[in-house]
Amino acid sequence: GQNIDQPTEMTATEGAIVQINCTYQTSGFNGLFWYQQHAGEAPTFLSYNVLDGLEEKGRFSSFLSRSKGYSYLLLKELQMKDSASYLCAVRPRDSNYQLIWGAGTKLIIKP
Amino acid sequence: NAGVTQTPKFRILKIGQSMTLQCTQDMNHNYMYWYRQDPGMGLKLIYYSVGAGITDKGEVPNGYNVSRSTTEDFPLRLELAAPSQTSVYFCASSQSSRSNYGYTFGSGTRLTVV
Repeated sequence: GQNIDQPTEMTATEGAIVQINCTYQTSGFNGLFWYQQHAGEAPTFLSYNVLDGLEEKGRFSSFLSRSKGYSYLLLKELQMKDSASYLCAVRPRDSNYQLIWGAGTKLIIKP
Repeated sequence: NAGVTQTPKFRILKIGQSMTLQCTQDMNHNYMYWYRQDPGMGLKLIYYSVGAGITDKGEVPNGYNVSRSTTEDFPLRLELAAPSQTSVYFCASSQSSRSNYGYTFGSGTRLTVV
């Protein structure tokens, strides 16, 4: 079967760094997405990885290792507005439409 | 630029009632999707469309129907609502299935069936 695992909840302190992990088992691989979802709102796109390595975008970075079926989202200089759920989604190989979604990691930022 | 617009935002249905969730996008995207999101679960694909006149089932299509008469509109129809359909529904669109920017989501419809 196809499966994506993320921690259910994490807590971090304002100004600190946090790493949110995502492991996946899918029928092949053709890209991994990270989305941010604030409570009661729609998911919004954060990052996309298809090759191994680190993609940096401001305070957010995303890493991918295809051989390990593993990705992480790194958030630096945490702000209170970063309190949200972070969703990992994988596009399986040869899929024209399907994204497999993790259940999301709820990140709580404390002052 | 409105993006993806969903209506209504909230709705309470009685068991057995029917309703249509509206979704419109103004980005000229060919691909459109309907997802449901339940607490503690990943998004589940209900139906998708690759262009006007073309629709297909996703993971969890039972109890739902869709149509795509124009590029802009992709309504989701619930017939004979059941408590199991209580969920948050998101419509999304993408430029192509291979878009590196993923999907643009609507703001969601929170549906309760009682």
